[in-house]
Amino acid sequence: DAGVIQSPRHEVTEMGQEVTLRCKPISGHNSLFWYRQTMMRGLELLIYFNNNVPIDDSGMPEDRFSAKMPNASFSTLKIQPSEPRDSAVYFCASSPTSDSSYEQYFGPGTRLTVT
Amino acid sequence: TQLLEQSPQFLSIQEGENLTVYCNSSSVFSSLQWYRQEPGEGPVLLVTVVTGGEVKKLKRLTFQFGDARKDSSLHITAAQPGDTGLYLCAGSTDSWGKFQFGAGTQVVVTP
Repeated sequence: DAGVIQSPRHEVTEMGQEVTLRCKPISGHNSLFWYRQTMMRGLELLIYFNNNVPIDDSGMPEDRFSAKMPNASFSTLKIQPSEPRDSAVYFCASSPTSDSSYEQYFGPGTRLTVT
Repeated sequence: TQLLEQSPQFLSIQEGENLTVYCNSSSVFSSLQWYRQEPGEGPVLLVTVVTGGEVKKLKRLTFQFGDARKDSSLHITAAQPGDTGLYLCAGSTDSWGKFQFGAGTQVVVTP
C-alpha cells in the first residue's frame, strides 16, 4: 500500500497568496484528518471528515482556511489569503474507523513557509 | 492550554539506560495512543490503550494506562539510538476517533 500521499512536500509563498494542500488517503479508510504542527503549539487538529462529510471543523483557525473532500480518495486544505503565521507543517492522516483501535496513518506532511 | 500534559519536555540519555515519559490530563479518555515522530516525517502509531490499568508491551517499550483513564506512561528499557524521536500521546473522548495530542517529549539516545 502506498500510504497517505501529500503534495506538495514543500511550499514557499508570499503573504496574500492562495495556497492549496492536497491529500490522498489510504484506500478504504473512512476518516480523514488535517493537522498543523508548529514548535509553539504542537500538533493541532484542524478538521476531520468521516465518509467525506466534515464532522468537526472547530480547529480551523479562521475563515481564511477551508477544507474539502469531494470523494473518498482526495481532500484539499486551502488558505486564502495566506499569512506568515500560517507557516507550519501540515499533516493529513487517514483512519479505518471500522477498526476500534482508531489507528491514524499520517502522511509525510507539507512544510509551508509564508514570507 | 494543552488538554494533555507531557513530561519531561526533553530527555537525553546514554544508550543502555532506561527512561519513562508521562502523559497526564484531568479528562477521562475512551482511548489513548502513543506515537513516535522522526524528523521530516509524520507520527507513527506505537500503541492504543482503552482499558483502565491496561499494560501493553512492544519489545523494549512498556505502555501503561492509568486506572482512571486520565494518564499514561511509556517506559523504554535499555534505550538504543534508534529510539530517538518525539514521543506524542493523544487522547480521545468521543467515538469518532478524534484525538487531541500532547506537546510531546523529545528523546535523544546517544551511543
